[in-house]
Parts: sequence; C-alpha cells; structure tokens
Amino acid sequence: EAGVTQSPTHLIKTRGQQATLRCSPISGHTSVYWYQQALGLGLQFLLWYDEGEERNRGNFPPRFSGRQFPNYSSELNVNALELEDSALYLCASNASPGVYYGYTFGSGTRLTVV
Amino acid sequence: GQQLNQSPQSMFIQEGEDVSMNCTSSSIFNTWLWYKQDPGEGPVLLIALYKAGELTSNGRLTAQFGITRKDSFLNISASIPSDVGIYFCAGMNYGGSQGNLIFGKGTKLSVKP
Repeated sequence: EAGVTQSPTHLIKTRGQQATLRCSPISGHTSVYWYQQALGLGLQFLLWYDEGEERNRGNFPPRFSGRQFPNYSSELNVNALELEDSALYLCASNASPGVYYGYTFGSGTRLTVV
Repeated sequence: GQQLNQSPQSMFIQEGEDVSMNCTSSSIFNTWLWYKQDPGEGPVLLIALYKAGELTSNGRLTAQFGITRKDSFLNISASIPSDVGIYFCAGMNYGGSQGNLIFGKGTKLSVKP
C-alpha cells in the first residue's frame, strides 16, 4: 500500500510569489490535513479537508488556502510568500473524518522563500 | 487555543540508558499519540492511547494516558543509537468539527554510543 505522497520534495520561491504544494492520501482515506513545521517549532495545524470541503482551519492568514479534489488528493496554496513561510509542510491522511484510525504523514515539502 | 507543553526540549543520553519524556495540556483530550520524526521525514506514529489511565507498550516503548486526560508520558528503555530523533506528543478530540491533532514542540533525543 502506497503511503501519503507529497510533491515537490523541495521548492524554492521568491518573496511575493505563490507556491503550490500537492498531496495524495493513502488509498481509501478521505481526510487530508496540512501542517506547517517551521525550524525549531512543532507542527502547526493549517487546514483539514474531507469529502472535498474545508472542515477546519488553523490560525493562519487567508493567503494560506487549499482544496481537495474528487479523488481526495489535495493542494495547498500559499500566496504572497513571506520569508517566514519557509518551513517543512506536511500532509497527513486519515480514514474517517474526526475519528482517529491513524494519521499517516508524508515526508513533506521543504519550502524555502528567498 | 489548546497548547501542549512537552518536556524536556532535548536529551543527550548514553546508549543503554532509559528515557522519559512527558506532555501536559491545559485542556483534556480523548486521544494521546506519540510520534517520532527522523531528519527529512514526516512523523511516524509510535503509540496511540485512547482511554484515560491506559498504559500501552510497543517494544521498548511504553506510554500512558494520564487519569486527568491532560497529560501523557513516553518511556524508552535501554536506548539504542537508532532511537535518535525528535519525539512529539499529540492530543486530539475526535468527533465533531475539530479532528485535528495538536502537537507539542518535541523532545530531541541524542544517544551517545
């Protein structure tokens, strides 16, 4: 069984640009979660998608947005990039919304803003 | 919002020693989880706890869900070099509109052979 896959593994952008990060959940998982892990900090919850809808959102500005596609894959978009957006962005999937059967994380996308 | 206080922030121990780390919360959780993260990878689940007072083992790892539902600890016995990494506790209240894990800031473990 394939795990959670994220692409790209690394992304370098210039301040003010937009970044798009992608996530494919484990087959059969309907919920996708996005987390930001900045250097020296823990994982900060960004967004939760299930069945194509945004279910919950962390304390991040609106320039962090995303969507979930009918095949349950997901995109995270970060507009107007700032230097402090540099971080590891992790995606996780879960079998059922709000019920813990096993959060499985991908290896992340390392976003560097210069 | 909910926050988890994880301690210690880092540990530097000798191979073979036992390790203990803990996590406390200002509010209760229905589920406590412990993850390990290796460099360049996403966190990997070690142990999941679903019931207050529950004590669960996974090999050399033992974790407990505190009776108050506001704390949890993780013990690693007889540490080995491959235990090196960052350990995160996470709490969750499943059901409803939440569904997201709240993470501690991690305990960085270094093991000296």
